[in-house]
Amino acid sequence: GENVEQHPSTLSVQEGDSAVIKCTYSDSASNYFPWYKQELGKGPQLIIDIRSNVGEKKDQRIAVTLNKTAKHFSLHITETQPEDSAVYFCASSPVGATNKLIFGTGTLLAVQP
Amino acid sequence: EAQVTQNPRYLITVTGKKLTVTCSQNMNHEYMSWYRQDPGLGLRQIYYSMNVEVTDKGDVPEGYKVSRKEKRNFPLILESPSPNQTSLYFCASSQTVEVSSPLHFGNGTRLTVT
Repeated sequence: GENVEQHPSTLSVQEGDSAVIKCTYSDSASNYFPWYKQELGKGPQLIIDIRSNVGEKKDQRIAVTLNKTAKHFSLHITETQPEDSAVYFCASSPVGATNKLIFGTGTLLAVQP
Repeated sequence: EAQVTQNPRYLITVTGKKLTVTCSQNMNHEYMSWYRQDPGLGLRQIYYSMNVEVTDKGDVPEGYKVSRKEKRNFPLILESPSPNQTSLYFCASSQTVEVSSPLHFGNGTRLTVT
């Protein structure tokens, strides 16, 4: 079955720097890749997603890139702010699965003021 | 306010004592699901439901039961909890069963089984 690897597990950056989190998936037929942000004491929340027919998508300071050949996708956060501190999860969706997401193991991002 | 509500937020119990974690959503969503979150393992799906009276196993269903008698409620039942079920549990819902329909998560239930 589908497997998603996520790196790094922890990431510390200075406020204003960029942060990059990378994920690799195993099922070449996967076609949907969302990113969720989990703040302390809360449930995950969707922040951006990308489909397999798109190479890059941006939303203000966050962007996601997808390399289907290499089967990996990345989350890019520019001009980081303390409120970006959270756990970030990538996920992929196996083809034919009913709203089934396989999540990565999470990245704890700490933005130092 | 549109939300997914889980109760309780924290629960400490002993091995073998049946418990239920409730989940309710007020968005008239079709799809509901339960996940457990463990360090180093991410979020793993326990059970899901595509509509009333339609439920199916996820990736880690052993030791759990669910029911979907009403569209808004999707309780998680542990008939005989064991210490390896100590975890952080999340209920989630989405408007449709399509994979691109965003999941809305509750704030979690931290369960400790001693």
